[in-house]
Amino acid sequence: SAVISQKPSRDICQRGTSLTIQCQVDSQVTMMFWYRQQPGQSLTLIATANQGSEATYESGFVIDKFPISRPNLTFSTLTVSNMSPEDSSIYLCSAVPALSREDYTFGSGTRLTVV
Amino acid sequence: GDSVTQMEGPVTLSEEAFLTINCTYTATGYPSLFWYVQYPGEGLQLLLKATKADDKGSNKGFEATYRKETTSFHLEKGSVQVSDSAVYFCALSDGDYKLSFGAGTTVTVRA
Repeated sequence: SAVISQKPSRDICQRGTSLTIQCQVDSQVTMMFWYRQQPGQSLTLIATANQGSEATYESGFVIDKFPISRPNLTFSTLTVSNMSPEDSSIYLCSAVPALSREDYTFGSGTRLTVV
Repeated sequence: GDSVTQMEGPVTLSEEAFLTINCTYTATGYPSLFWYVQYPGEGLQLLLKATKADDKGSNKGFEATYRKETTSFHLEKGSVQVSDSAVYFCALSDGDYKLSFGAGTTVTVRA
């Protein structure tokens, strides 16, 4: 299965600033996703990162707050904009290879603390 | 829509005890089912999966059987170790490549 490198692994940021998280996959994948895991909670899907077009956001998430890019089949970024302490979470990217919807792989996550 | 209901913890066990974590699901189609594990301070790792009814997924001594009649995918391990202490997530994918996760179950195994 694909291997995902995600960075940074953790960061402490000031409120009102933005952080961009990068996700690099070692092979071409069909689908890439971004999830949020709030402290002590399960994972919630933020959006599907579409290659060459705008991301598809889930209910409760908007592009202005979580802009996403996916310039090619192996790379995506998630930006958390104008951060507040409520954005403190683990953010994870996930990828699914072509023709294999069961082979989900996750990055190791970015642990974000907003102060 | 799709949903996963998972036994909530925390669960505390002694080493070599039997572990069961219940998971049931609701889906409109024929989902694939997964168990993921998250060790302290780490990301998510796939533990096992099953893609159709009656399939049994297994890995590292853990097993789960896809039961369509009871819409369940319970996770079991016959003899847990301290190293099995982690958070376990049940999840499903129903044809749209998105994963729906259960709430997670924190398991602590004591020596």
